[in-house]
Amino acid sequence: GAVVSQHPSWVICKSGTSVKIECRSLDFQATTMFWYRQFPKQSLMLMATSNEGSKATYEQGVEKDKFLINHASLTLSTLTVTSAHPEDSSFYICSARWPWEETQYFGPGTRLLVL
Amino acid sequence: QQQVKQSPQSLIVQKGGISIINCAYENTAFDYFPWYQQFPGKGPALLIAIRPDVSEKKEGRFTISFNKSAKQFSLHIMDSQPGDSATYFCAASQGGNKLVFGAGTILRVKS
Repeated sequence: GAVVSQHPSWVICKSGTSVKIECRSLDFQATTMFWYRQFPKQSLMLMATSNEGSKATYEQGVEKDKFLINHASLTLSTLTVTSAHPEDSSFYICSARWPWEETQYFGPGTRLLVL
Repeated sequence: QQQVKQSPQSLIVQKGGISIINCAYENTAFDYFPWYQQFPGKGPALLIAIRPDVSEKKEGRFTISFNKSAKQFSLHIMDSQPGDSATYFCAASQGGNKLVFGAGTILRVKS
């Protein structure tokens, strides 16, 4: 299957700092990427849809000024958690959609802990 | 109408047995139904997917059964192994857009 990477795999930061998470499709070009958040023992919650070269579409209830998404190239999307607080601690996962198909391939996830 | 309801919440199966997980949806516009497997601390991995014009799809030990009239689909894992112990998510999407996920099923295969 297709390979999607995320960096970093885990990050610990102090409250008030900003954290950037990268999502890369390694062996295909993805015009559309998705960002999810997952709490322990829960399902994936879609945060936003990221389209290359345009503004991200955020799900209801997700603060776009807090979770900045940039999809600058066909292989890279970034999620920046601005002014992170302990309640932002979670598992963040990205996915990339295979070109002209519905199939989404997921990255390994990034564990964020805000102290 | 965007929900996908998944059951059971957890499942314990003996090694060699059949694991069955069920999902139901309301939105008849959904046209793509994947299943994902997730191990603790990892991202979900695509297992198998089906479209509504097919009633069954098999890949190795994994089979999806799809009932369009009942708006239900299920995952069958044949000859379940301890290594299959994971959380399984069903999902649905329309036109290649965002996936709507079920709540997940924690599968434990006892050896």
